[in-house]
Amino acid sequence: QVQLVQSGAEVKKPGSSVKVSCKASGITITRQAISWVRQTPGQGLEWMGGIIPIFGKPDNAQKFQDRVTISADESTSTVYMEMSSLRSEDTAMYYCARAREGAFDSWGQGTLVTVSS
Amino acid sequence: DIQMTQSPSTLSASVGDRVTITCRASQRVNSWLAWFQQKPGEAPKLLIYKVSSLESGVPSRFSGSGSGTEFTLTINSLQPDDFATYYCQQYNAYPYTFGQGTKLEIK
Repeated sequence: QVQLVQSGAEVKKPGSSVKVSCKASGITITRQAISWVRQTPGQGLEWMGGIIPIFGKPDNAQKFQDRVTISADESTSTVYMEMSSLRSEDTAMYYCARAREGAFDSWGQGTLVTVSS
Repeated sequence: DIQMTQSPSTLSASVGDRVTITCRASQRVNSWLAWFQQKPGEAPKLLIYKVSSLESGVPSRFSGSGSGTEFTLTINSLQPDDFATYYCQQYNAYPYTFGQGTKLEIK
């Protein structure tokens, strides 16, 4: 049984950074495709990027290319999403999701990131 | 980017009804099309993948069909637990993209 457990809610100032973690259990993440998806009332669900740890290099959506870093620590079965230069529009629920044959079949519980001065 | 457009945005129906939600892609997505159900405060839940494959544990009243750029999700004999928001998503090409959602409400 795949389970993805994310880190807790964050409140950040504009211009700062946030790092959200996603710890997997029930699987070895080495060959797993783990993505990050965010959800806002205005933009809906947005795929931000993903990583397959064995291949190393993540794939990011162009929109997030300059501000988002996705990484993985196989020793702790944890995938990370770090976003820099936060602005109010980045206030959202952030989810990690595992792709099985491309489809997101397992999701984390979500991490609410609030950006406010 | 491939744009995914769902219709309708809101759908009112009664328990026992059969409903259909449509999803149109701005380009062909081959068979790489999924449907999700989301309830308030919860993560999306995979219902259908590869256009018409039913995810394990999902009731058989849910079905998906379509090809190319037009796809449908059908729910037969609506149950109280089915009132939620539904999203389509293409995973044919980066960036993966989602429809804007269809909120299924009780009439």
